[in-house]
Amino acid sequence: SQQGEEDPQALSIQEGENATMNCSYKTSINNLQWYRQNSGRGLVHLILIRSNEREKHSGRLRVTLDTSKKSSSLLITASRAADTASYFCATVRSNYKLTFGKGTLLTVNP
Amino acid sequence: EADIYQTPRYLVIGTGKKITLECSQTMGHDKMYWYQQDPGMELHLIHYSYGVNSTEKGDLSSESTVSRIRTEHFPLTLESARPSHTSQYLCASSDPGRGDGYTFGSGTRLTVV
Repeated sequence: SQQGEEDPQALSIQEGENATMNCSYKTSINNLQWYRQNSGRGLVHLILIRSNEREKHSGRLRVTLDTSKKSSSLLITASRAADTASYFCATVRSNYKLTFGKGTLLTVNP
Repeated sequence: EADIYQTPRYLVIGTGKKITLECSQTMGHDKMYWYQQDPGMELHLIHYSYGVNSTEKGDLSSESTVSRIRTEHFPLTLESARPSHTSQYLCASSDPGRGDGYTFGSGTRLTVV
């Protein structure tokens, strides 16, 4: 089964609101990454957080990692219509391979 | 922005045809990967390579094959396409030593009729 599971599966918010997506995984990891995928396109890497880090920021993105609970969250602040996309978490173990979750479909309404 | 290129972007082909999906990267990454993704679903790793002449099967069984003769090139081949192969195929590369994520191509959307 897949390593990561995102929650919720779909999220619809208004422009300007914050969006929070959660991810849980099952085994120990080296790092956890978040990706964005616009409809029908390739994935874009957003942020990487290592297993010894608890929080990381990049622009309007904030990622947290709780290795004791095997969970991570992605917060997008002040969302924009252009943030509409699917968001995937992916975990990396020692073998460099990314294992993806099912993704959260975020819709930001203007 | 991406330095990894996949061709073709879309491919519609008849059952039984042999196809090759191309993937090239200009970043000098040793590690390259092929993922398969059905619409609205997660990505499944089908092949990966850690360098020239190194290829391995991924977590999802696939009838496709890959080769890695040059660092920059990682093509995927289906000897005899079937409708069950209809999917999106995404190529990616990485340089773990830099601490960055994967770089993905735009994908090839394959339809076998």
